[in-house]
Amino acid sequence: GIQVEQSPPDLILQEGANSTLRCNFSDSVNNLQWFHQNPWGQLINLFYIPSGTKQNGRLSATTVATERYSLLYISSSQTTDSGVYFCAGYYGGATNKLIFGTGTLLAVQP
Amino acid sequence: EAQVTQNPRYLITVTGKKLTVTCSQNMNHEYMSWYRQDPGLGLRQIYYSMNVEVTDKGDVPEGYKVSRKEKRNFPLILESPSPNQTSLYFCASRPRDVLSGNTIYFGEGSWLTVV
Repeated sequence: GIQVEQSPPDLILQEGANSTLRCNFSDSVNNLQWFHQNPWGQLINLFYIPSGTKQNGRLSATTVATERYSLLYISSSQTTDSGVYFCAGYYGGATNKLIFGTGTLLAVQP
Repeated sequence: EAQVTQNPRYLITVTGKKLTVTCSQNMNHEYMSWYRQDPGLGLRQIYYSMNVEVTDKGDVPEGYKVSRKEKRNFPLILESPSPNQTSLYFCASRPRDVLSGNTIYFGEGSWLTVV
């Protein structure tokens, strides 16, 4: 079936450290996106990244669609980066449902 | 400000007592959807709507109803809530076209507990 898997499942960092989160998707997934769910449960869209690389401040993302993976880079991490990071995409030609990855739980310690 | 607004944000209710979670967006989006999030199961789609009067089931529609009478509103109805519907619920909206990179917006979530 369609799978979107993320690694690592959880990660603890000291403030200021860098990290790379990975998303592997098992079949043709369109419109790959990254989300951050903060400790209060709110889901924030970070990147729309079907292919290529984008940067937004300390965050950047790269998707290699032909190899079916995406990476989210967090540099100089801050405590406010804590939460769960999800990747998600639409499968094939269907745009009615986002398929979410399993998530990476990130804790940034001061 | 672009917003998806859900109400209530927090609710504890009893089994069998009908409830409605409202969702409203101010961006004139055609597409709206409801997801539930559960530990170990991630986010799963309940229902979606591609436009007014057009709704369809997602992966876990049992026990829920929706309606889309107006473009801006997409309420989620639990006719007879049961404890297995205790969850965190999200409403989302976006323009119809996704392939040009239109962002999907999520509401702040509604924490629902059924006892």
